[in-house]
Amino acid sequence: AQRVTQPEKLLSVFKGAPVELKCNYSYSGSPELFWYVQYSRQRLQLLLRHISRESIKGFTADLNKGETSFHLKKPFAQEEDSAMYYCALWDGGATNKLIFGTGTLLAVQP
Amino acid sequence: KAGVTQTPRYLIKTRGQQVTLSCSPISGHRSVSWYQQTPGQGLQFLFEYFSETQRNKGNFPGRFSGRQFSNSRSEMNVSTLELGDSALYLCASSLGRTAQETQYFGPGTRLLVL
Repeated sequence: AQRVTQPEKLLSVFKGAPVELKCNYSYSGSPELFWYVQYSRQRLQLLLRHISRESIKGFTADLNKGETSFHLKKPFAQEEDSAMYYCALWDGGATNKLIFGTGTLLAVQP
Repeated sequence: KAGVTQTPRYLIKTRGQQVTLSCSPISGHRSVSWYQQTPGQGLQFLFEYFSETQRNKGNFPGRFSGRQFSNSRSEMNVSTLELGDSALYLCASSLGRTAQETQYFGPGTRLLVL
């Protein structure tokens, strides 16, 4: 069955330190993966998607099919990066259904 | 463009009652998806509507239902409320022409069942 796993509920780092938010998936076909972010008191919003191969706010994510991972990385964390991050997998077929991980709360300490 | 709006923002109901939540998508968007967010289960897909037709459905009991109107606005209904239905209900809209499009989320309706 399709599944997304985010093993860390909380990740605390200091400002300027590198960040890696882990995401592993289970999917039988060719996966389409996303990272969504929810800042305090704001709505959930798309951060990046792997098919775009883009870098948003300094974050990047590489799809590793061998390890079935899509980890989110940033070389130098900023305090404004503190938020809840969700990894999501498109379910496939003619639908917009997303399967979300349980999320990781990133806390960047000054 | 105005974002996705959801009404009401907060609701308190008692067990056994029913509730209707509303979602207005971004103008021009034809796909509306609903998700339930709880601390224990995270974000779980309820259903998706496109052009007034349910296109996909998650693993929720039949007490959860929805519909979409010709103007793409969507409603979801939960009948015979249970304590476990307390959650944040999010809707998301997209153009709906192709899969994997960016979905834009509303602020959510927080439902508390007593």
